[in-house]
Amino acid sequence: DIVMTQTPDSLTVSLGERATINCKSSQSILYSANTKNFLAWYQQKPGQPPKLLFYWASIRASGVPDRFSGSGSGTHFALTISSLQAEDVAVYYCQQYYTTPYTFGQGTKLEIK
Amino acid sequence: QITLKESGPTLVKPTQTLTVTCTFSGFSLTTNGAAVGWIRQPPGRALEWLALIYWDDDKRYSPSLKTRLTITKDTSRNQVVLSVTNMDPVDTATYYCVHSGGYGQGGLFDFWGQGTRVTVSS
Repeated sequence: DIVMTQTPDSLTVSLGERATINCKSSQSILYSANTKNFLAWYQQKPGQPPKLLFYWASIRASGVPDRFSGSGSGTHFALTISSLQAEDVAVYYCQQYYTTPYTFGQGTKLEIK
Repeated sequence: QITLKESGPTLVKPTQTLTVTCTFSGFSLTTNGAAVGWIRQPPGRALEWLALIYWDDDKRYSPSLKTRLTITKDTSRNQVVLSVTNMDPVDTATYYCVHSGGYGQGGLFDFWGQGTRVTVSS
């Protein structure tokens, strides 16, 4: 199985400041034939199901604000929020869809300072 | 607009079989590339992918649970059913139904149901 490891486990950031969450895969999830990284990011707010934020590592899903960005390739990826808003409080998960079993990171809890 | 809704028991006893149903709308599971899957989340813990069924009836399972899982579809009723045998307290979780294939890629989950909470206890 591909193991997805997120850092940090939790993060406290002031409103308006930048927040960065890292995700590392145990093997490359870059498919050389199409140069796509099979990496997604999800946001889960309390009491809600996860919501897709990014796919192909850096493509924003519909309706995702542009203060969110996704980056990285191969085995190292990042989710960045350029200016934290109160509504961004959530747990964030990365997920690889390169191969089954599809696997998620352990989650990063983002809170406001 | 794609929606998915899970239904099933909230409480099952150890060793029993859990059967949860996903009823969806806004897409057809006969469309090339479409898929529906199940993901679970134990209380306060991370997400775990369980199974996926494609429009052509191709099925994929988590290897760690494969012997206990069965996923089926009823395209006429727009439903997907997951059965989990020999339930144990560690299987206590919220079970989510998910749509996959919206971006041309299986395993990418673009729509989620609200989830159904299942507790395993005698």
